Amino acid sequence: LAKTTQPISMDSYEGQEVNITCSHNNIATNDYITWYQQFPSQGPRFIIQGYKTKVTNEVASLFIPADRKSSTLSLPRVSLSDTAVYYCLVGDQTGANNLFFGTGTRLTVIP
Amino acid sequence: NAGVMQNPRHLVRRRGQEARLRCSPMKGHSHVYWYRQLPEEGLKFMVYLQKENIIDESGMPKERFSAEFPKEGPSILRIQQVVRGDSAAYFCASSPLRKAGLYEQYFGPGTRLTVT
Repeated sequence: LAKTTQPISMDSYEGQEVNITCSHNNIATNDYITWYQQFPSQGPRFIIQGYKTKVTNEVASLFIPADRKSSTLSLPRVSLSDTAVYYCLVGDQTGANNLFFGTGTRLTVIP
Repeated sequence: NAGVMQNPRHLVRRRGQEARLRCSPMKGHSHVYWYRQLPEEGLKFMVYLQKENIIDESGMPKERFSAEFPKEGPSILRIQQVVRGDSAAYFCASSPLRKAGLYEQYFGPGTRLTVT
């Protein structure tokens, strides 16, 4: 089971770029890295997924170094509505590895 | 395309009663997952089902809990003889089958179970 380690919490001011790093030292060759966002009283929402290098979509960017033992979710110019818990998951398509959410990183955006 | 639907959104049960939680996956999704979340904690995987099959139930307590995903109709998570410790938010997610990569899961709004 590829476990992940994330900071418990982070604070940021509005308009800043936020980078949340996730460690996954035991990542396997077939594993992908996926990030979810969860607002209070809601289910998690898929943000981004990647295997290596860099992935970007309309919401965020995901940076994965060559050794893939960590990944960084980058949120550009955060707003108050980005206050949420962010979860990093590592796993492949086949098993329960990808179903371990952990406690996530609680991001608080300050005005 | 409607998202994942869960009902009821809130459920109150007395100790010893049964709780039935329903989940309708997104159209075209044949994989369903159930998670439990206690206040201020992360999601804990419970069970992963495909139509008429339980694929992985390693996260589900062996007693009092059961899940099904019949050929027709929603997936059901059933908790018998509820206790106060069962009070939590229960989330259902669904996913399509992809040829490659990790499938993304689409979550419902959750059912908040309160046991009094």
